[in-house]
Amino acid sequence: EIVLTQSPATLSLSPGERATLSCRASQSVSSYLAWYQQKPGQAPRLLIYDASNRATGIPARFSGSGSGTDFTLTISSLEPEDFAVYYCQQRSNWPPSFTFGPGTKVDIK
Amino acid sequence: EVQLVETGGGLIQPGGSLRLSCAASGFTVSSNYMSWVRQAPGKGLEWVSVIYSGGSTYYADSVKGRFTISRDNSKNTLYLQMNSLRAEDTAVYYCATQMGGGSYRYYFDYWGQGTLVTVSS
Repeated sequence: EIVLTQSPATLSLSPGERATLSCRASQSVSSYLAWYQQKPGQAPRLLIYDASNRATGIPARFSGSGSGTDFTLTISSLEPEDFAVYYCQQRSNWPPSFTFGPGTKVDIK
Repeated sequence: EVQLVETGGGLIQPGGSLRLSCAASGFTVSSNYMSWVRQAPGKGLEWVSVIYSGGSTYYADSVKGRFTISRDNSKNTLYLQMNSLRAEDTAVYYCATQMGGGSYRYYFDYWGQGTLVTVSS
C-alpha cells in the first residue's frame, strides 16, 4: 500500500506570499498524482492532475511539479480565497485503490 | 452542467444499515468511473469504493465485505449500501466522478455536497 505524507501540516502565510506544499509517496507513483483544495463546509475541488496539469478553471497561480515520490504544489501569490486545506492523492494500480495524504492547512498569518 | 446530489444520510445505531444515493445530471453515470469518498468529522479524506464504467467494483479494506457500490442506469444514480455500520464509519460521504479518458480517470473531478452519516447509540 502506498502511503502519502504531506508537509508541513500547517503553513501560516500572508496574502501575496508564495506557498510551497510538499507531498511524498512511500514508493513511486510515476506522475499519477493530484492536488485538491477544500474549504470549510465544502467539497474538495480538483486543482492539479498528473502532477503538473491544471484542472479546468484553475488559476495560473497554482502549479504542480514532481514525479516518482516527491511532489510540490506551489501557489505563486496567495489570494484571500486560497486559505484552505490542500490534499494530495494517488491511485494504486492493483488492486485498484485511491489514497489521500493527510492534508496541509494554509492559514492566514 | 454536471451535478451530483447525495441523499440518505442520518443517525443510525451500530450494526445497522443505510443506503446512500447520488443522483447525477449533466452526464451519464454508467459511462464513467464513480467513487464514494468519506471524511470523518475534523479529519482528512478517505476513498471508500469505486465502480468502473464496465461494472467492476473495488473497496477500501476498511469497508470490504460490509459496503456495496452499485448504480441504476435508468435513474442515472449511484448507490452505496452500508451494512454492519460501526462508530468509525461516521463521516460525510461524498460521491465523485472520475470522467475522461486515460489517467484522468484516476482523479475526482466533480463532487457532490456530501451527506452526513452518524453511527451512534
